[in-house]
Amino acid sequence: GAVVSQHPSRVICKSGTSVKIECRSLDFQATTMFWYRQFPKQSLMLMATSNEGSKATYEQGVEKDKFLINHASLTLSTLTVTSAHPEDSSFYICSATDTARGIYTFGSGTRLTVV
Amino acid sequence: KNEVEQSPQNLTAQEGEFITINCSYSVGISALHWLQQHPGGGIVSLFMLSSGKKKHGRLIATINIQEKHSSLHITASHPRDSAVYICAVSAISNYQLIWGAGTKLIIKP
Repeated sequence: GAVVSQHPSRVICKSGTSVKIECRSLDFQATTMFWYRQFPKQSLMLMATSNEGSKATYEQGVEKDKFLINHASLTLSTLTVTSAHPEDSSFYICSATDTARGIYTFGSGTRLTVV
Repeated sequence: KNEVEQSPQNLTAQEGEFITINCSYSVGISALHWLQQHPGGGIVSLFMLSSGKKKHGRLIATINIQEKHSSLHITASHPRDSAVYICAVSAISNYQLIWGAGTKLIIKP
């Protein structure tokens, strides 16, 4: 079946540093990738939508200069949290779609802790 | 009102009990997912449904498209089933995943 590999699964970083999270579709072409964030005791919320080769569309309230999304190929999207702060500590997950084949799947998530 | 509603929010049961978690949604969907999230851990896909019923081991998932409702059942529950169970739907309009808030399940030995 369609698999999305998300790395790292856990990361701890210092305040002020940047962290990159990768989301890779292993056996299909992800025409669209979505990035979500889970706040404590809340459901996952959409941060941004990215289509291969074009700029990501960010949801209201999400800082595009802080959460850099790159979707340069049909198999890879990255989310970079720049100048991370403790309040960025959260669970981040990507999902990927191949609409032509009716594939909707997601990564296993990344637990980010900023100290 | 959230587009995906799960109930109950929290559920504590004794080992061996039959567990049911419910999910209702209000949007048109292409698929519904049931996922499991362990504390501090990642998310594991349990089922993806677009109709009917699926079974995997002690887990059963059903969906009623007309009623926009799905249930996840666990038979002969075990403490290792303790986790957060999340329902998510793929919106037919834009393929975006809409997530439920999750159900925290604790199975006591």
